[in-house]
Amino acid sequence: DVQMTQFPSSVSASVGDRVTITCRASQDVSVYLAWYQQRPGTAPRLLIYPASSLQSGVPSRFSGSGSGTDFTLTISSLQPEDFATYYCQQGNSVPPTFGGGTKVEIK
Amino acid sequence: EVHLVESGGGLVQPGGSLRLSCAASGFIFSSSSMHWVRQAPGKGLAWVSRIANDGSGINYADSVKGRFTISRDNAKNTLYLQMNSLRAEDTAMYFCARDKPVAGINMEVWGKGTMVTVSS
Repeated sequence: DVQMTQFPSSVSASVGDRVTITCRASQDVSVYLAWYQQRPGTAPRLLIYPASSLQSGVPSRFSGSGSGTDFTLTISSLQPEDFATYYCQQGNSVPPTFGGGTKVEIK
Repeated sequence: EVHLVESGGGLVQPGGSLRLSCAASGFIFSSSSMHWVRQAPGKGLAWVSRIANDGSGINYADSVKGRFTISRDNAKNTLYLQMNSLRAEDTAMYFCARDKPVAGINMEVWGKGTMVTVSS
């Protein structure tokens, strides 16, 4: 199985800050990498798939980049509604696997 | 609007069985691969199973293989997960999700989930 490593596991930031989350795959997953946002008590929401394609309705302050084994999710200017946990997931092979998550907290 | 609604969760004893359902609306169900994903309390996301749009291709996580069975009824726009021989470690929120019909595996739209608790 492809192991997905996310870092940091948590980050404290203020409204307006730029936040970058990194995801590393244990083997090449091409561009088949998804990013999800999960607010407490709610279902995950797909933000980006594949690696750099923003889903419809997702604010443009979110962006994704990378290919192969190294990927990043960037929030250019953090908004109050962005405080949540973010997960990466590789979609190149079965089983699809998730990173451990990055919790973005209010500073 | 795409809508997924899970049901069938509850409290069950170890070794017991449960059948989850996921009712789909707002899209052509028979054209979409579907997934089950779970999340143990306070933990991250874990993929459970996937079924192709016509039911011909099925995959399972090793942790549930031989105990869980995914199926679908395209006439009823419903996805199922039959869970047998349940263990305490199966305790989780179970989400169904639609796979976006592009290359690779993703979970484009999610239901709100149904909670399964395995405890004596």
